[in-house]
Amino acid sequence: AQSVSQHNHHVILSEAASLELGCNYSYGGTVNLFWYVQYPGQHLQLLLKYFSGDPLVKGIKGFEAEFIKSKFSFNLRKPSVQWSDTAEYFCAVAGSARQLTFGSGTQLTVLP
Amino acid sequence: DTGVSQNPRHKITKRGQNVTFRCDPISEHNRLYWYRQTLGQGPEFLTYFQNEAQLEKSRLLSDRFSAERPKGSFSTLEIQRTEQGDSAMYLCASSLGTGSVDTQYFGPGTRLTVL
Repeated sequence: AQSVSQHNHHVILSEAASLELGCNYSYGGTVNLFWYVQYPGQHLQLLLKYFSGDPLVKGIKGFEAEFIKSKFSFNLRKPSVQWSDTAEYFCAVAGSARQLTFGSGTQLTVLP
Repeated sequence: DTGVSQNPRHKITKRGQNVTFRCDPISEHNRLYWYRQTLGQGPEFLTYFQNEAQLEKSRLLSDRFSAERPKGSFSTLEIQRTEQGDSAMYLCASSLGTGSVDTQYFGPGTRLTVL
């Protein structure tokens, strides 16, 4: 069975600070990896995804993530956060089954 | 709006009543998923359709839950004899799945409150 761990439950940053949110997964086979974001009052939106190829993937709004297979990690990064990045961030993995397995989420609060 | 739509957005019901939710996927998406999300947790998979065929069901989906996608377009999720533990956000997602590559797009969800 696959599982996802997001160790940071709540992160508080000031604007312009750099961001890194941790995501570790457990699965023995080939995985597809995703980060979704949920802004206040809105539905889940796809930030970025990794299927294969370059392990450094770039997404929308300046976000990127790096797949490190040896560490079973897919951490999300942004060099300079904005107040509008305040949201909940979910890491998810899909293995041979189609369904996504999500982590418990990280609430990011960016202070102006 | 060409995204995934869900109705109703909110449902309040009394314990023991039956409820039905509807999901309209993005046009031409052949795969449709249902998830459940409780406070402080990520979404949890319930069931998945490819066209009209229900291909997978989670162990979370007790016999009080049933889902259909009769013509391979919209889907309904019914909960019979609701319990307070069913209170959650029910999310629908769709994808244009080709092989193992599958990007799911989520709807706004239906928030169920069981009194």
